[in-house]
Amino acid sequence: SQTIHQWPATLVQPVGSPLSLECTVEGTSNPNLYWYRQAAGRGLQLLFYSVGIGQISSEVPQNLSASRPQDRQFILSSKKLLLSDSGFYLCAWIAKVGAGPNEQFFGPGTRLTVL
Amino acid sequence: AQTVTQSQPEMSVQEAETVTLSCTYDTSESDYYLFWYKQPPSRQMILVIRQEAYKQQNATENRFSVNFQKAAKSFSLKISDSQLGDAAMYFCAYRNQAGTALIFGKGTTLSVSS
Repeated sequence: SQTIHQWPATLVQPVGSPLSLECTVEGTSNPNLYWYRQAAGRGLQLLFYSVGIGQISSEVPQNLSASRPQDRQFILSSKKLLLSDSGFYLCAWIAKVGAGPNEQFFGPGTRLTVL
Repeated sequence: AQTVTQSQPEMSVQEAETVTLSCTYDTSESDYYLFWYKQPPSRQMILVIRQEAYKQQNATENRFSVNFQKAAKSFSLKISDSQLGDAAMYFCAYRNQAGTALIFGKGTTLSVSS
């Protein structure tokens, strides 16, 4: 069966510090991968998605970046965190689209607080 | 660009009663998919139900059903026989047929009282 992991689960970082959040998927190959951010009182905002190794698409201009060094690994990074980067970050995966309304599976999330 | 609107930030229902959560969306596409996700206090996103736009029949999953009105671009979720475990935030989401990601509404927080 497929599983998706995220770490860390919780993170408190000072403004201006770097960030690295990791997401890995098991039990599938060549998935589409996604990073979402959920701010308080708002829905899920798509930040990045990837259809393959080294292929990253950005949906929202910001000081965050993403990378996909391996097929089932997706990393969210920042060189200098801002207060506005605080939120709940969710990684998700989906089997390649084209086969119907495939379910998007979500990881357990990372709660990031920037002080 | 496609948008999803959930006009009810909060809803409440009593156990065993029925509640309907509203969702409207805007798209120029003719083929797409719609979803309702549940996010309990654990914050794990769980798929509740999905609907393919080309299907006229409303989707049902046990106590959960949808009222899909394609012309009105409306996709409401009905929860019957509400249970305490249904208390959560519910998100409506859209994906076009060739799309790569879900577009979410802002969510509706559902509380269930005994």
